[in-house]
Amino acid sequence: EAGVAQSPRYKIIEKRQSVAFWCNPISGHATLYWYQQILGQGPKLLIQFQNNGVVDDSQLPKDRFSAERLKGVDSTLKIQPAKLEDSAVYLCASSDYSNTEAFFGQGTRLTVV
Amino acid sequence: GDSVTQMEGPVTLSEEAFLTINCTYTATGYPSLFWYVQYPGEGLQLLLKATKADDKGSNKGFEATYRKETTSFHLEKGSVQVSDSAVYFCALSSTSGTYKYIFGTGTRLKVLA
Repeated sequence: EAGVAQSPRYKIIEKRQSVAFWCNPISGHATLYWYQQILGQGPKLLIQFQNNGVVDDSQLPKDRFSAERLKGVDSTLKIQPAKLEDSAVYLCASSDYSNTEAFFGQGTRLTVV
Repeated sequence: GDSVTQMEGPVTLSEEAFLTINCTYTATGYPSLFWYVQYPGEGLQLLLKATKADDKGSNKGFEATYRKETTSFHLEKGSVQVSDSAVYFCALSSTSGTYKYIFGTGTRLKVLA
């Protein structure tokens, strides 16, 4: 079974630029999560989708971050404009309807300079 | 709101030593509890889980027991190996509502040969 795919693996941008991350969850998984993991901290949920609807985006900085999940499959997370404090690893995860386990991708490491 | 507290690291042990990483949680209802492991440069991998009180999760020699009375889920291994060096995250997922995963801050384990 293929795992959660994310791209790119690494990205370096200057502050105030924009960036987008892509995630392809495990086939058939209805729930998709985006987490932000700052160095030395645990992952923090940014947004959670159930199919193509948003379930929880309470910690998403909506003035600069946006996410979509078209057709309930792939998802993109965008930051515009980026700030230095956005430097982190962005993790995508998915789970099936039973929600007994979340499967994580390898993440995208973003460095904002 | 729901939260997870785990012991700070780093934890440095000699090979074959006994490992305990403490984890306590605060949650309404009856969450599922997890330990995830993150090896350098990789995403999070599920190590073990428990879905109800007194359940014991186990995998690769690691164990953790869901203790509702003490709201704890401590990770243990009787004899660690150098290959166990990684960051370990305790997490919970509420079984009602959004099923989002909430993580602790992580504990870095270093095992010396």
